[in-house]
Amino acid sequence: QITLKESGPTLVRPTQTLTLTCTFSGFSLSTYDVGVGWIRQSPRKALEWVALIYWDDDKRYSPSLRTRLSITKDTSKSQVILTMSNMEPVDTGTYYCARSQYSISDFDYWGQGTLVTVSS
Amino acid sequence: DIQMTQSPSSVSASVGDRVTITCRASQGISAWLAWYQQKPGKAPNLLIHPASSSQSGVPSRFSGSGSGTDFTLTISSLQPEDAATYYCQQAKSFPYTFGQGTKLEIK
Repeated sequence: QITLKESGPTLVRPTQTLTLTCTFSGFSLSTYDVGVGWIRQSPRKALEWVALIYWDDDKRYSPSLRTRLSITKDTSKSQVILTMSNMEPVDTGTYYCARSQYSISDFDYWGQGTLVTVSS
Repeated sequence: DIQMTQSPSSVSASVGDRVTITCRASQGISAWLAWYQQKPGKAPNLLIHPASSSQSGVPSRFSGSGSGTDFTLTISSLQPEDAATYYCQQAKSFPYTFGQGTKLEIK
């Protein structure tokens, strides 16, 4: 059974750095073709792809957020960590992590999501 | 970036109706298109990818078609549990992009 779960702060102050952790089970991020990505959803419900890391440590970032993002993996802990610097109120939303495969490029398993509010 | 445009933004239909949702890409993406269903308070759920292949466990009333720039998601006989928002996503190239969503309501 494949599961993913996001964890991190629910409230972040403007200009602070957000750190989110995705802890997963049922698959390994050392397996060929496997990736874990982050997708966020604004309060208006628009979905936006944020970042993705693959089994071989290939990392992809949204161009509009790239300068603020870092994605890393800890294969031994089955975790993927996303950091986003200089948070703004417009970054408020639900952040999901999801499994992907390099050869297919969809997101077949998702976490439940974590709501992050950016406010002073 | 490849822009994805869905229509309609919302639709209301009765149980048993046939419902079609359209997704258009700003450039050709072959069959690299996924459809997701999202119910309130839940994460999106992958229905179809590539454009016409249903995921395991997805009811057969859901089908997808299209290639290039124009795609459709069809629900052949609408059921009450199909009330949700549906999103398309292009998987052709980074950055991956989603349509704005189509909210499906049951009359």
